[in-house]
Amino acid sequence: ETGVTQSPTHLIKTRGQQVTLRCSSQSGHNTVSWYQQALGQGPQFIFQYYREEENGRGNFPPRFSGLQFPNYSSELNVNALELDDSALYLCASSLEDRGGYTFGSGTRLTVV
Amino acid sequence: AQSVSQHNHHVILSEAASLELGCNYSYGGTVNLFWYVQYPGQHLQLLLKYFSGDPLVKGIKGFEAEFIKSKFSFNLRKPSVQWSDTAEYFCAVNAGSNDYKLSFGAGTTVTVRA
Repeated sequence: ETGVTQSPTHLIKTRGQQVTLRCSSQSGHNTVSWYQQALGQGPQFIFQYYREEENGRGNFPPRFSGLQFPNYSSELNVNALELDDSALYLCASSLEDRGGYTFGSGTRLTVV
Repeated sequence: AQSVSQHNHHVILSEAASLELGCNYSYGGTVNLFWYVQYPGQHLQLLLKYFSGDPLVKGIKGFEAEFIKSKFSFNLRKPSVQWSDTAEYFCAVNAGSNDYKLSFGAGTTVTVRA
């Protein structure tokens, strides 16, 4: 069991820039979800991918997009960064399970 | 859409005290319920989960939670806390077998004093 790994761990970007965050799912997991956790709040669901297709999305604008690759790794892309995008971004993987999610340690994004 | 509320923002206890954290959700259908813990500097870890069956669920590290359907609640308990239980605790819900999205509460910070 390799767990979920995310990269980079920390990132500083300027408002208006674009960013790509990466996630390597736990071995055997075919479902990946992304969450945004602002300071002092619980994680908020961004979207989920299952077998390379987006199959659920939270209340996030289209400038938040993602990809899942055949090896089940995943990317979260955010365009036109805003100051409020500063948060911890969490990736979670599961195997078509109702809740056996394994979370990564997250990427701390700071937008200045 | 379901929502989750956690009653306490910050709880401070002494070692050996009992802990109970409240969690209520708003969703009328079948739900799956979870408690996650986030130790300082670490990733979210699953403490326990409820899908069906016995409403009293036992998890890791001596934690348990009780699902009370009539109250839409899923409170977390531990009879005797240790300093190492200092962490942030999150209650989460997803709505039935076709919804993998987790809705989290805002979290409760638990500080255990030695």
